[in-house]
Amino acid sequence: DAGVTQSPTHLIKTRGQQVTLRCSPKSGHDTVSWYQQALGQGPQFIFQYYEEEERQRGNFPDRFSGHQFPNYSSELNVNALLLGDSALYLCASSLKGGVEAFFGQGTRLTVV
Amino acid sequence: DAKTTQPTSMDCAEGRAANLPCNHSTISGNEYVYWYRQIHSQGPQYIIHGLKNNETNEMASLIITEDRKSSTLILPHATLRDTAVYYCIVRASATYKYIFGTGTRLKVLA
Repeated sequence: DAGVTQSPTHLIKTRGQQVTLRCSPKSGHDTVSWYQQALGQGPQFIFQYYEEEERQRGNFPDRFSGHQFPNYSSELNVNALLLGDSALYLCASSLKGGVEAFFGQGTRLTVV
Repeated sequence: DAKTTQPTSMDCAEGRAANLPCNHSTISGNEYVYWYRQIHSQGPQYIIHGLKNNETNEMASLIITEDRKSSTLILPHATLRDTAVYYCIVRASATYKYIFGTGTRLKVLA
C-alpha cells in the first residue's frame, strides 16, 4: 500500500499564474481533504471532497478550487497566485466513518 | 470548532517519558481528541485519539481528564526520533476537518 501520494513534490510558480496539485488517496479511502501549511504554522483546512462533491470548506477564497474523480483521486487548483500562497500543501485521505486521516508528504509551492 | 492550547516547546531526555499537555476547555460531547505529529515538514502522522476513556497503543498513551477539558499525550520512552511538532486536535465525529493549532515542538535530548 503506497499510502497517500502527492505530486509534484516541489513547484515554483510566478505570481499571477495558476497551479494544479494532485493527490492519490490511500487504497480504499473515499474522502480527500486539502490543507495549506505556511512556514512555522499548523496546517489550515482548505476543503474536503467526498463522492466527487465539495462537502466542507475552510476560510479560503474562491481562487482555491478542487475536484475529486470517480477513482477518489483529487486535484487542488489555485488561480491568480499570490506570494502569500507559498506554502506546503497537504492532502489527507480517510474512509467515511473511519478512525483517522492519513496525510501525504505534501507539495511545496513557491510563488516568486 | 473547539480550540486547543498547547505549550510552544518542551524538552525531554532520551529514555524518559515525554508528557505533552493540551487544553480543550470548549470541547463538545461529540468531539474527539486526536494527536498527530509532524517530523521536519513531512506530512502529519496519526498517533492516537480518544473520546472519554484513556487510550493506549504501541506509540503512546492518551490521558483525558474526567471533565474532558484537557488531555495529556505520553510517550513512555522518548527517543531522538520522537523529536517533532505534536498537534492536539479536536474533531467532531462527523467530519475530518481538523483544526490545527501551532502545536508543541518536542525536542528529545541525548
